[in-house]
Amino acid sequence: GNSVTQMEGPVTLSEEAFLTINCTYTATGYPSLFWYVQYPGEGLQLLLKATKADDKGSNKGFEATYRKETTSFHLEKGSVQVSDSAVYFCALSPFTSAGNKLTFGGGTRVLVKP
Amino acid sequence: DVKVTQSSRYLVKRTGEKVFLECVQDMDHENMFWYRQDPGLGLRLIYFSYDVKMKEKGDIPEGYSVSREKKERFSLILESASTNQTSMYLCASSLDPNYGYSFGSGTRLSVV
Repeated sequence: GNSVTQMEGPVTLSEEAFLTINCTYTATGYPSLFWYVQYPGEGLQLLLKATKADDKGSNKGFEATYRKETTSFHLEKGSVQVSDSAVYFCALSPFTSAGNKLTFGGGTRVLVKP
Repeated sequence: DVKVTQSSRYLVKRTGEKVFLECVQDMDHENMFWYRQDPGLGLRLIYFSYDVKMKEKGDIPEGYSVSREKKERFSLILESASTNQTSMYLCASSLDPNYGYSFGSGTRLSVV
């Protein structure tokens, strides 16, 4: 079956530090890949996505590249801010899926300190 | 942008009560989903629906039911609330899997 594995948190950083959150996946075919962000007390928001190999998704200074050869979609940001403190979820959508179900990773909590 | 609205942000209910959680989306999406989110367990799919009056069980359907009488509305029902159903409940909708989901803001339910 499909699965997403992401690094466990919490990840604690100082402001302006470099952030990487690792995500690897198992899926048949050619899934679409997503990063969602959840700020405290809120629902999930789509942060970025990539629909095919070597695509790079980017938004709000975050980037992730779809690497089919390593089945990975690692999230990066060059200089984090306190406002980036949140939980980040990696997810995949199989190319063919009954009911369009996403498979989520367990989430990684990121805490950015001033 | 798609708007997914959950009727309550916070709810407190008593054990044994029948609880209704409502979710409405405004973009004519066929697919709607209910998740619960618990610390250390991530998001777990309860039920989903890919059309009006259609429903499918997710990973943890026990103790829950759903209703989808209109395309825009997907209701989660706790038939007899129990304390182990205290959780954050998230509703989502989607049109196409390649575009991902749109989520509501969540309902934090406490069963006492």
